[in-house]
Amino acid sequence: DVKVTQSSRYLVKRTGEKVFLECVQDMDHENMFWYRQDPGLGLRLIYFSYDVKMKEKGDIPEGYSVSREKKERFSLILESASTNQTSMYLCASSGQVIKYFGPGTRLTVL
Amino acid sequence: KQEVTQIPAALSVPEGENLVLNCSFTDSAIYNLQWFRQDPGKGLTSLLLIQSSQREQTSGRLNASLDKSSGRSTLYIAASQPGDSATYLCAVRGSSGNTPLVFGKGTRLSVIA
Repeated sequence: DVKVTQSSRYLVKRTGEKVFLECVQDMDHENMFWYRQDPGLGLRLIYFSYDVKMKEKGDIPEGYSVSREKKERFSLILESASTNQTSMYLCASSGQVIKYFGPGTRLTVL
Repeated sequence: KQEVTQIPAALSVPEGENLVLNCSFTDSAIYNLQWFRQDPGKGLTSLLLIQSSQREQTSGRLNASLDKSSGRSTLYIAASQPGDSATYLCAVRGSSGNTPLVFGKGTRLSVIA
């Protein structure tokens, strides 16, 4: 069974804090993705990575950065959290075919 | 740029009904199409994957079809149950290499006992 895990289910941070969201997959997948999901807007791609140390901007990369030092781990970083980054964050990984999602992290920025 | 649309945005049906969820996409040059289910406050679960060369896939009470030339897919749910209540998301992957999925906004389904 493929497993994609995210470090936290719920997170509350203050404006201006640096926030790390961690994602780990155990299927040796090359591709990993970070999305955010907001009511009425669906899933929007923030960043993705198709290899270690490789990253590509998605549709809404502003205010975020990512790190992929190891194949199994893809981190999303909010350098200075803002209230408009309150959202559900979903990590996913895939080989060439099916994409698998983690359970999500609901981040609230106060 | 690929755009994915799902209609309707929300749907309520009585238990036992058969129903169809619709998905359309603007660029027919896709690699595959995937249907997901999302329960409130949770992540996405993959339901069915259709490769661009396929016309349909079936899993239990679910059947997904793909008409690439017209840019459409449908998810058919037979004999709906209250446990089917969830948001259903359609996503397509572009035809070149490692392109990420493009998602629709989902259809929120409520099956009423």
